[in-house]
Amino acid sequence: GNSVTQMEGPVTLSEEAFLTINCTYTATGYPSLFWYVQYPGEGLQLLPKATKADDKGSNKGFEATYRKETTSFHLEKGSVQVSDSAVYFCALSERGAQKLVFGQGTRLTINP
Amino acid sequence: DVKVTQSSRYLVKRTGEKVFLECVQDMDHENMFWYRQDPGLGLRLIYFSYDVKMKEKGDIPEGYSVSREKKERFSLILESASTNQTSMYLCASSFAYRGGEQYFGPGTRLTVT
Repeated sequence: GNSVTQMEGPVTLSEEAFLTINCTYTATGYPSLFWYVQYPGEGLQLLPKATKADDKGSNKGFEATYRKETTSFHLEKGSVQVSDSAVYFCALSERGAQKLVFGQGTRLTINP
Repeated sequence: DVKVTQSSRYLVKRTGEKVFLECVQDMDHENMFWYRQDPGLGLRLIYFSYDVKMKEKGDIPEGYSVSREKKERFSLILESASTNQTSMYLCASSFAYRGGEQYFGPGTRLTVT
């Protein structure tokens, strides 16, 4: 079946550092991939998405790149802020499917 | 902006009680979802509805039921709450043609004592 694997957390960075969170997946066909963020005490919010191979998406200063040849979907941000401290989830849906498969989440802490 | 609201942020119930969790979305989305989120287990899908009165079991439907009488509202029902149902419950919605772009409510933290 489909699955998503995220890099182990927690991740701790200093403010203004460069952020990369890695995600790899197993799926049949050509899935769509998504990043979600969950701030403390809140629900999940959609970040970048990519709907085809070698697609790049950006949202709220984050950029995500989908690499079909390595079945990966990495999230990056050039300069993180304390307010980016949250849990980040990678997710996929098969083309035409309605449901998402989520990774386990990566907890990110940014220190001032 | 899409808005998904849940009836309570925090709820405390006793074992054996019948519990209703309500979710409302204002974007005319066809799909609605109920998840539970537990430390170390991530998000798990309980039930999914793709239309009014239509539902599909997710990964962990045991002990839960759902109701969708109107397009904008999706209810999760715990017929007889148990302590192992203490969890964070998240509702989400999406358009049918964009199933992966789900919009989440703020969550209900349910404690069953």
